[in-house]
Amino acid sequence: AQKVTQAQTEISVVEKEDVTLDCVYETRDTTYYLFWYKQPPSGELVFLIRRNSFDEQNEISGRYSWNFQKSTSSFNFTITASQVVDSAVYFCALKGNFNKFYFGSGTKLNVKP
Amino acid sequence: GAGVSQSPRYKVAKRGQDVALRCDPISGHVSLFWYQQALGQGPEFLTYFQNEAQLDKSGLPSDRFFAERPEGSVSTLKIQRTQQEDSAVYLCASSHPQGQDLLNYGYTFGSGTRLTVV
Repeated sequence: AQKVTQAQTEISVVEKEDVTLDCVYETRDTTYYLFWYKQPPSGELVFLIRRNSFDEQNEISGRYSWNFQKSTSSFNFTITASQVVDSAVYFCALKGNFNKFYFGSGTKLNVKP
Repeated sequence: GAGVSQSPRYKVAKRGQDVALRCDPISGHVSLFWYQQALGQGPEFLTYFQNEAQLDKSGLPSDRFFAERPEGSVSTLKIQRTQQEDSAVYLCASSHPQGQDLLNYGYTFGSGTRLTVV
């Protein structure tokens, strides 16, 4: 079975605070891919990052960083020095067969000025 | 166009009415997907096309849901005899034909059609 769990339904922070969004996944596949998407109020899903199951190297892109740990089946996302424009719903997703994606239920991030 | 275009943006249907939702993928994108996103939930897979072939329709919730892509470009998701539980945002996505690009960039999603059944 393929499953993604985002336990944090909603998080509120004040601008410039760091915030980590948690993602835990389940899969029996030995090779798989994990993604993070951002969904602003306009509704479209914006691709942020992809990780392969065989590459546990953490990644940093500007204020964004991702921590992938196979031992705990987690793929957490950290925003450093958050900004109001980061306010959105963030989804973690797992790739299955035929390019089918399994999404978590999302974490709504509110960044207050 | 530059992105995935979906129409209408909003649709209100009376229970029992049939609806048709349209998706214009990025030109040249072979793969096309439909997802259903209920309020407060993540998107859930409905169906997948490669060109005009529907390779996976395992996510369609009932036989009232039907999708087609007759010429391998524009796709239509049709819902017959709509019910209140069909209320959701329906997202369309397309992907680059090269598999590696799919892995690098995921899908390109449209802004969705918000369907409200009253």
